Amino acid sequence: KQEVTQIPAALSVPEGENLVLNCSFTDSAIYNLQWFRQDPGKGLTSLLLIQSSQREQTSGRLNASLDKSSGRSTLYIAASQPGDSATYLCAVLMDSNYQLIWGAGTKLIIKP
Amino acid sequence: DAMVIQNPRYQVTQFGKPVTLSCSQTLNHNVMYWYQQKSSQAPKLLFHYYDKDFNNEADTPDNFQSRRPNTSFCFLDIRSPGLGDAAMYLCATSRGSRRGPTNEKLFFGSGTQLSVL
Repeated sequence: KQEVTQIPAALSVPEGENLVLNCSFTDSAIYNLQWFRQDPGKGLTSLLLIQSSQREQTSGRLNASLDKSSGRSTLYIAASQPGDSATYLCAVLMDSNYQLIWGAGTKLIIKP
Repeated sequence: DAMVIQNPRYQVTQFGKPVTLSCSQTLNHNVMYWYQQKSSQAPKLLFHYYDKDFNNEADTPDNFQSRRPNTSFCFLDIRSPGLGDAAMYLCATSRGSRRGPTNEKLFFGSGTQLSVL
């Protein structure tokens, strides 16, 4: 059974720092992996989707990597800003169905 | 802009009183999902539609029902809400294939926060 873990559960850093959020999964036979952002009391926004055949995806200051063999993905945020404060969730899609397997999220606070 | 819209944003109902949450989309996506998210937890998939084909998750209580009258609209009906059903309900859409999932992002609505008194 696939399990997705995100460490740390919470992270607080000063504005301007580069940071890395981690996501690990136990079954490497994934179809894709998505990183989402969720602001308090709001829905989720898909930030990046990495297909199983890809190693990384980039969007602006965000870069997500995928290493299936080790069961790991990282989300790199460059030059962090207070507006980046949110909860970041990763989720993997198995090729058997439409159900995403979610991590519990990392709550990120960027201090001005 | 094309989007996923959920109404209402906040819904208060009484214990045992049926409630319906709605979702509409302008993305013309063939897959629509309903998720339940409780505070500080990951979203939990309740069910999804591929076109009009309904797929219920095994652990979704019978108290939860859904309707998708057309591509654009999807409804979540909670027949007899209990205190444990208080949560954020999220609707999402994606492009899918009859053969299974695709490498397409999910698009979420802003959610409906349900309170049960």
